[in-house]
Amino acid sequence: AQKITQTQPGMFVQEKEAVTLDCTYDTSDPSYGLFWYKQPSSGEMIFLIYQGSYDQQNATEGRYSLNFQKARKSANLVISASQLGDSAMYFCAMREGLHNQGGKLIFGQGTELSVKP
Amino acid sequence: GAVVSQHPSRVICKSGTSVKIECRSLDFQATTMFWYRQFPKQSLMLMATSNEGSKATYEQGVEKDKFLINHASLTLSTLTVTSAHPEDSSFYICSALEGAWETQYFGPGTRLLVL
Repeated sequence: AQKITQTQPGMFVQEKEAVTLDCTYDTSDPSYGLFWYKQPSSGEMIFLIYQGSYDQQNATEGRYSLNFQKARKSANLVISASQLGDSAMYFCAMREGLHNQGGKLIFGQGTELSVKP
Repeated sequence: GAVVSQHPSRVICKSGTSVKIECRSLDFQATTMFWYRQFPKQSLMLMATSNEGSKATYEQGVEKDKFLINHASLTLSTLTVTSAHPEDSSFYICSALEGAWETQYFGPGTRLLVL
């Protein structure tokens, strides 16, 4: 069974608008971390945002915020005021265990975001 | 901070030759690094976990004799693709663990083409 599911293979958004990229996860471990990465066409993976399972508040980093709904096991990425440079592949990832667990990540299938001018 | 470099960025080689890819953490020490392979339009596939001073841990289905990993220092891990064949052509990307939250920071990747 998929542990990380991104159901949107591709998304379009108009420049300056907000967009939500979906991510659901499945784990029985009470301690886990959730990550989002951006991969532009150049190939590098850019770390965007992190949410720990015990964090009470949703993580935010500039224009990125993570809508963490623990009961629904969802960790959607919200990008506000989209820019043309946001066009890229976005990956959601989970690490089971919070610290000193080896750090292995499980990745979703990715969502390709295209920002229209 | 948390910069990871990877070299070379692109390599073309003949079938049967070996190719070495280097992954360096530039501004932090990394006892653990990871090597991934990625095909076009697909997600990352973990190949192995590289631990400084010990043997790498390979994922199921990854040939350890074909993909040699050496983590000789706290800032350098190398992946050697031995006797490369066209089916080994792919995008290889490494990452290093950093910080209290053990975030993986990635290198820019290496595109390997085996002719």
